[in-house]
Amino acid sequence: DAGITQSPRHKVTETGTPVTLRCHQTENHRYMYWYRQDPGHGLRLIHYSYGVKDTDKGEVSDGYSVSRSKTEDFLLTLESATSSQTSVYFCAISESRDFTDTQYFGPGTRLTVL
Amino acid sequence: SQQGEEDPQALSIQEGENATMNCSYKTSINNLQWYRQNSGRGLVHLILIRSNEREKHSGRLRVTLDTSKKSSSLLITASRAADTASYFCAIDTGRRALTFGSGTRLQVQP
Repeated sequence: DAGITQSPRHKVTETGTPVTLRCHQTENHRYMYWYRQDPGHGLRLIHYSYGVKDTDKGEVSDGYSVSRSKTEDFLLTLESATSSQTSVYFCAISESRDFTDTQYFGPGTRLTVL
Repeated sequence: SQQGEEDPQALSIQEGENATMNCSYKTSINNLQWYRQNSGRGLVHLILIRSNEREKHSGRLRVTLDTSKKSSSLLITASRAADTASYFCAIDTGRRALTFGSGTRLQVQP
């Protein structure tokens, strides 16, 4: 998985609790992404980062926030988890914004919100 | 939606047969990529085809792109049980990030 780790790999939480997912890379790539994967929807972009402290919203950003204080770490926070946020979350990285560069994906985090 | 739509949603074949899956999209693209996802794992990049290319090969993979029809196909020749996975197309429209389709689940029976 190209030097990308995600933690935790599995989490069960209750509605209304805050949750933070971590993505860590050792590739020194500038761009990092958070996707969610749900049956019938493929992968949908939540947020992405184009540098330290530089982030932007994706198509399903409501209810999520992100932070990137270091090149290697990109955090996804659910301020108050809801059942609709039950999903598998993937982090990805790429070296440039030119998508002739491959995106490399982490192993995923399975989140269940009860 | 601009996302790629894969067809079929699921495909089951015997080992040694060819597998063809298709991706259609609705907007102009810079390039189109195909990814594979094994069960419980992240996505792995397979091949990229640029908008000015019509066909590309990589090992047992053959990708075609028809921008007039806004469609692409991925052909896996002489399939193996290890090819069992979900396959996704992803389009680059020059926007913020790639847009992924919902995938084709391929089952290769040994």
